[in-house]
Amino acid sequence: KNEVEQSPQNLTAQEGEFITINCSYSVGISALHWLQQHPGGGIVSLFMLSSGKKKHGRLIATINIQEKHSSLHITASHPRDSAVYICAVLYTGNQFYFGTGTSLTVIP
Amino acid sequence: DSGVTQTPKHLITATGQRVTLRCSPRSGDLSVYWYQQSLDQGLQFLIQYYNGEERAKGNILERFSAQQFPDLHSELNLSSLELGDSALYFCASSAGFTSRGGLETQYFGPGTRLLVL
Repeated sequence: KNEVEQSPQNLTAQEGEFITINCSYSVGISALHWLQQHPGGGIVSLFMLSSGKKKHGRLIATINIQEKHSSLHITASHPRDSAVYICAVLYTGNQFYFGTGTSLTVIP
Repeated sequence: DSGVTQTPKHLITATGQRVTLRCSPRSGDLSVYWYQQSLDQGLQFLIQYYNGEERAKGNILERFSAQQFPDLHSELNLSSLELGDSALYFCASSAGFTSRGGLETQYFGPGTRLLVL
C-alpha cells in the first residue's frame, strides 16, 4: 500500500529552536519532495530528493532510502517559518502520494 | 511569484454543472500537473501532461478530464459536479528535462478555489 506518514501532525516551537519533521513511506520510491504551504494556501517546493542530503539556507532535508525515511530540519526557526509542511513521494508509474502535512507554528 | 498562473481564482457553481480551470505554466516548462486539495482528503495528484501528452494519471475521477494544448497551457474540466468536488485545485509545472516529472522541482500556481453548492 502506498502510504506516506508524517509526524508530528502539529508542532509549536519557540523562535530560534531547531525543528525536525519526519516522513516515512512504505515501499521504494523514485523521489521525495518537501513542500511548504503558507497560511494563504500557496504552495512552494522546498526540496526534491532521491538520495542523501540537501541544504538551502536554514532548511536541511535528508533521506535514507534503506529505512524509507526522510527528515526536514529547520535551524534557528523564525515566525515566518509558520506553515504546513507536506511530504510527497513519487512511486513507480509517476504517481505522487502526499502525507497529511505537519502544521508548524513558531512563536516569537 | 512562481510564474504559474491559474484562472479563475474563485469559482462558485451548482451541483450538476461543468467548469473549466485553466493553467499557464512557467515560460518554457513542458510538464504540467494537476492536484486537488480538499479538507477531508488532503492533497491528491490528479494527472500530469508532458509536452501535450498524458504522462501519469492519479486519482482523477471519470467526470474529470484534462488536456495540454500546443502552447503548453492546460485545462482541467470538471463535469457533473458534486458537493464533494469542492476543493482547492492546484496546477504546477516543471521544466520537463525528463518526462518523469517527479524528478524535477515543481512550481505551483496560486490555485483555483471551487465551491459547489
